[in-house]
Order: sequence, then C-alpha cells, then structure tokens
Amino acid sequence: AQSVTQLDSQVPVFEEAPVELRCNYSSSVSVYLFWYVQYPNQGLQLLLKYLSGSTLVKGINGFEAEFNKSQTSFHLRKPSVHISDTAEYFCAVAGGTSYGKLTFGQGTILTVHP
Amino acid sequence: DGGITQSPKYLFRKEGQNVTLSCEQNLNHDAMYWYRQDPGQGLRLIYYSQIVNDFQKGDIAEGYSVSREKKESFPLTVTSAQKNPTAFYLCASSPSPGTGALEQYFGPGTRLTVT
Repeated sequence: AQSVTQLDSQVPVFEEAPVELRCNYSSSVSVYLFWYVQYPNQGLQLLLKYLSGSTLVKGINGFEAEFNKSQTSFHLRKPSVHISDTAEYFCAVAGGTSYGKLTFGQGTILTVHP
Repeated sequence: DGGITQSPKYLFRKEGQNVTLSCEQNLNHDAMYWYRQDPGQGLRLIYYSQIVNDFQKGDIAEGYSVSREKKESFPLTVTSAQKNPTAFYLCASSPSPGTGALEQYFGPGTRLTVT
C-alpha cells in the first residue's frame, strides 16, 4: 500500500516571495509522483510529474519539484509567487500493482497575499 | 477541443433519491475514474474502469454504482444507500497503460447537495 502526506494544510505567503509545499510518500515499490493544482470549484490540473530520470522536474507556471528517494519526499517549489498562484495543491503517487491508480494527499491551500 | 465534461455543474436532490452524474471524454482514453472530494480529505477513489464493460471498486465504493458501456462515458449513480452524499465529485481519465502515460486528466466536477 502507498500513502501520501502533505505536511502543511495551509501556507500563507506574500507576493514575490519563494514558497515550498512539502510532500512525503510511503511505498514499497518504485513510484511515480505528481503535483496537481485546483482553483476554486474547478477540476485538477497537472503541474508536473516525476516518472524517471532527472530528480529535478520542471512544470508549468514556474513550479518545480525535486524527487528525493532517500527522504521519500517530492517537495514543490516556486522562487517567486504571484497572486494568481492562490489555489489548493495536491501531491499524488502511483506505482507497483496499483498502476494507473493515484493516491492523493490531503491538499495544501496556498494563499498569496499582496 | 479534447477534454472531459461533467454535467451538471451543480446538482440538488432530496434525501432518499438516486442521482446520476454524467462524465464524458473525447480524449480516446481507456481508463476512467470517479473521485469524491471533501474539505481537508483530498480525493478519494470511488470506482475506476480500465476498459469498456469492466470496472473495479475503489476505496469508498459503498452506496455508489457505475457502468462503462461506451469508451467515452462513465456515469456514476449515487444511491440512497450512500449515507453522506453531499460532496464535490470529480471524473478523470488516463491513457492506456501501454503508452507509459500515468497522469490523469480531470473534468470540472459536479457539486452535489442532498438535503
């Protein structure tokens, strides 16, 4: 079985400041990791994914994440946030016999203040 | 435009009534999924289907039913047996496993309120 823990339920930050949203996972097999963003009353949009290769993954809207196998983490970062980044962010993991099925974390609400 | 459509956006029902949520995709994806989202709980998998005429229970299937008669369509019925049906429901799809693509694409969601 696999699980995902997002360590912060809410992250407030000022505009143009850097931000890190933390995600830890547990799995007994190789994993594939994803970050999704959800704006209010909308579906989820894929920000970035790690399947294999380079551990630093770049995504849309200036976000990036680093896969750290030894720490079982996949933290999301952005060097300078905008008001429009205010949304809920979900980390998800897939792998092993659960191919195609995603397990989601509880979400982190990022609020960017002017 | 390719994508996933869910209708309606908002749905209101009286307790004790069954209700069916629509999900259609024109991405030619083999797999489709239904999730339930409640505040602070992330997304929980209700049912999924990897091929037409086949589907499997997810983590919280009790009180729900699905069908997959066409590749494009995966309707979800919330039955009167579901004890707490008020939630935001999200449908997703993903390409065939053989393509190596694992990400899921999501519809806009249906917010169901049962009173």
